[in-house]
Amino acid sequence: NAGVTQTPKFRVLKTGQSMTLLCAQDMNHEYMYWYRQDPGMGLRLIHYSVGEGTTAKGEVPDGYNVSRLKKQNFLLGLESAAPSQTSVYFCASRSPREQYFGPGTRLTVT
Amino acid sequence: QQQVKQSPQSLIVQKGGISIINCAYENTAFDYFPWYQQFPGKGPALLIAIRPDVSEKKEGRFTISFNKSAKQFSLHIMDSQPGDSATYFCAARGSGSARQLTFGSGTQLTVLP
Repeated sequence: NAGVTQTPKFRVLKTGQSMTLLCAQDMNHEYMYWYRQDPGMGLRLIHYSVGEGTTAKGEVPDGYNVSRLKKQNFLLGLESAAPSQTSVYFCASRSPREQYFGPGTRLTVT
Repeated sequence: QQQVKQSPQSLIVQKGGISIINCAYENTAFDYFPWYQQFPGKGPALLIAIRPDVSEKKEGRFTISFNKSAKQFSLHIMDSQPGDSATYFCAARGSGSARQLTFGSGTQLTVLP
């Protein structure tokens, strides 16, 4: 039981490049979330999903897209990376009691 | 719009002392208030949580105090240890279908040996 895993752990992008962050969970959770964490700002919700095939916008969705083709996977895409997207990205899945977070992906956009 | 305000931003406490972190919220529809602990290079992990119909919850050295009328809640860490050094986030959960968490800005706690 690995819980929530994220790939990659680190990535450096040039402005305008694209990439996809992968989140996988093995707890059969319906709800999954993508957050970004910036110094002094806590965690802010980017997008979330309440089940396979469904996604919705969170607090800071601009510049990101998501897909939930399989229940266990939640993908976060950046189509044209900008320096403002330099951050640490966390994925989470939710049980009735709590959200379980992955280890994070540190993304730097130069 | 920051719906959950957390203070202080950083806190230094001597070993054995009491660490206190405070949060205030605005949305009265929040129905669940967890605290998360995050160590460097790791994701946040649930530490302790409380529902608004309870004024206090204690788990070991960790206690949440909740004041519904003031819309405030706080985390108390008794007998603080160097191993408690981490970043702590308060959060509040909405009552909508997505059960989203709104996080405070975090408190970096350092416990000196």
